[in-house]
Order: sequence, then C-alpha cells, then structure tokens
Amino acid sequence: GENVEQHPSTLSVQEGDSAVIKCTYSDSASNYFPWYKQELGKRPQLIIDIRSNVGEKKDQRIAVTLNKTAKHFSLHITETQPEDSAVYFCAASRRNTGNQFYFGTGTSLTVIP
Amino acid sequence: GAGVSQSPSNKVTEKGKDVELRCDPISGHTALYWYRQSLGQGLEFLIYFQGNSAPDKSGLPSDRFSAERTGGSVSTLTIQRTQQEDSAVYLCASSFDRANTIYFGEGSWLTVV
Repeated sequence: GENVEQHPSTLSVQEGDSAVIKCTYSDSASNYFPWYKQELGKRPQLIIDIRSNVGEKKDQRIAVTLNKTAKHFSLHITETQPEDSAVYFCAASRRNTGNQFYFGTGTSLTVIP
Repeated sequence: GAGVSQSPSNKVTEKGKDVELRCDPISGHTALYWYRQSLGQGLEFLIYFQGNSAPDKSGLPSDRFSAERTGGSVSTLTIQRTQQEDSAVYLCASSFDRANTIYFGEGSWLTVV
C-alpha cells in the first residue's frame, strides 16, 4: 500500500517569512495530493490540492509543487501570518480508482508575531 | 446538510462500556471514511465505505471496532468494551466519488475513564 512521510513534524517561522512542508509517497499510481489545515480543536479543512498532471499550483500565498519522478510534493506558504499557525497534513490517493486517502503524520506550524 | 455532521460531539464513557458514534455525510456523497486522531497525533485510517461495495475495514484496530452504513448514507461506528486507549477524536469524512476531495466533520471527542 501507499506510505506517506511528512517533514518536518514541527516548524516555527517569523511572521512574514516563508514556510515549506515536504511529503514523499511510495505508490507511483497515486495521482491526487491534497493538503489539509487543522486549527486547534477544529476539523481538517482542504486548503489546496494538486493532480499528477500538474507540476505546480498556486492560490494566493499558498502553493504546492509535485515531482512525480522523485515522488515528493511540497506545500509553500509565503508571507506567513499568525493565523497560518495550525497543523498541516498532506495526503495521497489514486483518484477515481476507489482507493482510500493516505495521510502524512502532520506538521505543526507556528508563526511567531 | 451543508457539511458532514457527527454526533455526539463529546462523549465520556466508562471503561468497558459500548459506544456508538454517528456520521451523517454530505448529501449525495457516495464515499464515507472514518479516521481516528489521538491527541497531537496524525490521522489514523479506520474504515472506508464506497457505494454498495464491501467496505475497506483494513484500518480497524481490533474486533471491538465495527462500522456500518445504512442505505448508503448515515454511518455508525461502534466500539465495544471501550478501553482507555480508545480515547481520541473520531473523524468522519465524505466525498462525492471515489478518491475525490474529502470533507471532514467536526469529530466526536471520546474520553474513556
């Protein structure tokens, strides 16, 4: 089955700096990679996703890059703000083939004002 | 409803008692997932339902755990003879189709004393 690894487990950055979270996956058939943000005591919420036919996707201050050859994908947050502080989870899945989602272990991001 | 609904939101139970946790997915969503999240930990897959197919139960940690989904909609996760290590947040998620974006409920916080 799929194995998703996520690094780092914790990350602290100064407000305004960039934050990068990296994930690797093992199943070359995985083709859908969402990222979820979970604030303390809240549900995980989708913030951005990428499909395997795309190398990069941006949404304002958030971007995700995918390297299919190396089987890794990364979340980039620029101009970080205190409200970005949360736990971020990456996931991998085979879209449209009935497979389940495999989540990374999470990264706790703290943005220091 | 507008989102995935879970009940109860909080449950305190005595060790050895059985508990039932309910999930009402987003209307029209055919896929339903249960995950467990222990304090400060990642998302542990429990079980996955897709339409009328046999559920993927590969993540259930023991035979004390079971789940059913009636009529392709509401799901109930049952934990028999609860143990203290069962204390966690149980998150339900649903998606429109296989391996599409999944949306989480707020979770059921279970405490076994």
